[in-house]
Amino acid sequence: GAGVSQSPSNKVTEKGKDVELRCDPISGHTALYWYRQSLGQGLEFLIYFQGNSAPDKSGLPSDRFSAERTGGSVSTLTIQRTQQEDSAVYLCASSLGQGGDGQPQHFGDGTRLSIL
Amino acid sequence: SQKIEQNSEALNIQEGKTATLTCNYTNYSPAYLQWYRQDPGRGPVFLLLIRENEKEKRKERLKVTFDTTLKQSLFHITASQPADSATYLCALVSPGRRALTFGSGTRLQVQP
Repeated sequence: GAGVSQSPSNKVTEKGKDVELRCDPISGHTALYWYRQSLGQGLEFLIYFQGNSAPDKSGLPSDRFSAERTGGSVSTLTIQRTQQEDSAVYLCASSLGQGGDGQPQHFGDGTRLSIL
Repeated sequence: SQKIEQNSEALNIQEGKTATLTCNYTNYSPAYLQWYRQDPGRGPVFLLLIRENEKEKRKERLKVTFDTTLKQSLFHITASQPADSATYLCALVSPGRRALTFGSGTRLQVQP
């Protein structure tokens, strides 16, 4: 596809379960970002991948959150032992070049995560 | 602490008028500032970028200004249309950082 693809679009799970969210970036984009957006709030940075470099994990809120990017393309964000405060829309974005250089970020439509 | 502020109240204007949205920031020295549009249930879409050494940038009906002394960016939509109704987010990055920091957005409603 031409854009950033995220799956699933919606996920409802019980507190304490683990969830995996997937992001397919635009082909050729070396930078990939995960953000979290709570209702009526701005986007909160979680993690940034650039090529084969070590990711910038400085935005991850706790050690229950982790992410990986395989082969420089697809990324998965994993939340272990989910809590109700994890309920939010998780957005993935990709861009050309290096993060911070002004290149537009292209976003997927997000995964809406609801923890019961 | 670092802060980006956008008017949290919705902006309601009549079709054909100019909409002006404000983005203020504190304790940042941004290399550039970007504006995005977000529709309900969708991810943000990039609109414009303005760098710290630029005062103004235009694209069709859109105009962005950037005043690093006032620490403020203004986003204007001229001849607004109902299709311009959306939430508009400003985002900035400081030198040396990689990820954007976003404001919470201002919802614009253009009445026909």
